[in-house]
Amino acid sequence: EAGVVQSPRYKIIEKKQPVAFWCNPISGHNTLYWYRQNLGQGPELLIRYENEEAVDDSQLPKDRFSAERLKGVDSTLKIQPAELGDSAVYLCASSSRVQAFFGQGTRLTVV
Amino acid sequence: GENVEQHPSTLSVQEGDSAVIKCTYSDSASNYFPWYKQELGKRPQLIIDIRSNVGEKKDQRIAVTLNKTAKHFSLHITETQPEDSAVYFCAPPGAGKSTFGDGTTLTVKP
Repeated sequence: EAGVVQSPRYKIIEKKQPVAFWCNPISGHNTLYWYRQNLGQGPELLIRYENEEAVDDSQLPKDRFSAERLKGVDSTLKIQPAELGDSAVYLCASSSRVQAFFGQGTRLTVV
Repeated sequence: GENVEQHPSTLSVQEGDSAVIKCTYSDSASNYFPWYKQELGKRPQLIIDIRSNVGEKKDQRIAVTLNKTAKHFSLHITETQPEDSAVYFCAPPGAGKSTFGDGTTLTVKP
C-alpha cells in the first residue's frame, strides 16, 4: 500500500513569492490534515478535511494561506506571499479513523 | 482546544535503562491516545496507541499506560537501545483533531 505522498520534498523561495505544496493521501482515507512543524516543536495543525470539506481551519493564517481538496482526494496548500517566518516543514497526514499516517513533508526555506 | 503537555522535554538514559515520558491533556472527551516517534529529518510515525477502554497496552519493549481520571498517559520504553534516540510526541485528539505535544527528545547513550 502506498503511503502519503507529498511534493516537492524541498523548496527554497524568496520572500513575497508564492509557493504550493501537494499531497496525495492513502487511498480510501477520508480525513486529510496539513501540519506545520517548526524546528524543535511538535506538528501544528493548520487545516483538517473530511472528504472535500474543511472542518477545522481555525489555525490557518487565512490572509496568506489557502488550501483546497477538490474531489476529496488530493490536496494543495498555498502560501502567497511567503514570509521569512513561514520557513518550516509542512506535513500532510491522512487517516481513515483515528490513526494518522504522515507524508515525508516539504521543507520550505524562505530567504 | 486541547491543551497537551509532555514531560520531560529532554531525557538522557544509558543503553539498557528504562525511559518514561508523560503526557497530560485537558479534553475529557479524548478517547484515543497515540505516541509518535520522529527521527531526525524523518516523518512522525505511530509506535503505539491506546483507547480509553484499556488501561495499559504493551508491544515488546514499549508500553503505554492511561489514567483517564488524572488525564495523563505515559510511554514506557524498557531495555533502551541507541536506535530509540528520537523525539517522541503524544497526540491526544480533542474535538476530532490531533493536538501534538511539544515532544520529548530521548537520547540513549551507548
